[in-house]
Amino acid sequence: ILNVEQSPQSLHVQEGDSTNFTCSFPSSNFYALHWYRWETAKSPEALFVMTLNGDEKKKGRISATLNTKEGYSYLYIKGSQPEDSATYLCASYILTGGGNKLTFGTGTQLKVEL
Amino acid sequence: DTEVTQTPKHLVMGMTNKKSLKCEQHMGHRAMYWYKQKAKKPPELMFVYSYEKLSINESVPSRFSPECPNSSLLNLHLHALQPEDSALYLCASSLFGGTGGPNTEAFFGQGTRLTVV
Repeated sequence: ILNVEQSPQSLHVQEGDSTNFTCSFPSSNFYALHWYRWETAKSPEALFVMTLNGDEKKKGRISATLNTKEGYSYLYIKGSQPEDSATYLCASYILTGGGNKLTFGTGTQLKVEL
Repeated sequence: DTEVTQTPKHLVMGMTNKKSLKCEQHMGHRAMYWYKQKAKKPPELMFVYSYEKLSINESVPSRFSPECPNSSLLNLHLHALQPEDSALYLCASSLFGGTGGPNTEAFFGQGTRLTVV
C-alpha cells in the first residue's frame, strides 16, 4: 500500500445501528495512526492517536484498533446517533529524514438517519 | 487554549492579487502545517514547519510562499494564483516538530475558503 486508503467512501445507517470503517496505510516509517472526526463547517477534531501494534482505544461509543504489521485500523461506532454524522478521516504519521508527515486518507462520510 | 485560529475565513482574490492567509496557536506546539483540501478529497499536505524551520515542502508551486515568523504564527503568502487553486486551506499544529514524541495529535483551524477568480 502506497497511500492511506479508507473504506467505505460513504455510509448511511439508521439510528441505533453499529458500524465500522477501515483505514489501510503503508507500514514503512510508521510512527502513529490518527483518527479525526470532521463535521461540516467545523475543524477536524482528533478522536484517537495510536502507536503500538494491537492498540485499542475507546471514547464513549467509539473505539478503534490498530494492526501495524499488516497496515490497517478499524473504527467502530456502537449505537449510532444522528450527532455522529460527520466525515471520519484517518491519517498516518510518519517520520522522514526531512520531517514528520501527517497524511490523510480519503475519509468515510457517515450519515445517521432517524 | 486549544484553538488554532485562521484568518480570514473566506477570501476571494483575482489572479494578479497578492494576499496572505494567517494561522495562530498558543499551545506551545512546535510543528505547524498547511493543508489544501478540495471537495470530496482528503486534506493534502503542502508544508510542514518544525521549530520555525521549513522541514517539508511537498513540491508546492512557488506562487504559494509559507512563512513562520515565530513559534505561534504561520502565514501563507499567495501571489498569481490560478482558478484551480480555489480550495479550503487548513492550518494545523502539533506538539512535537522533531523526530520523536508520542503526542502527535494535530489541532486544526476552521480553514480559509479561497476562491480565485
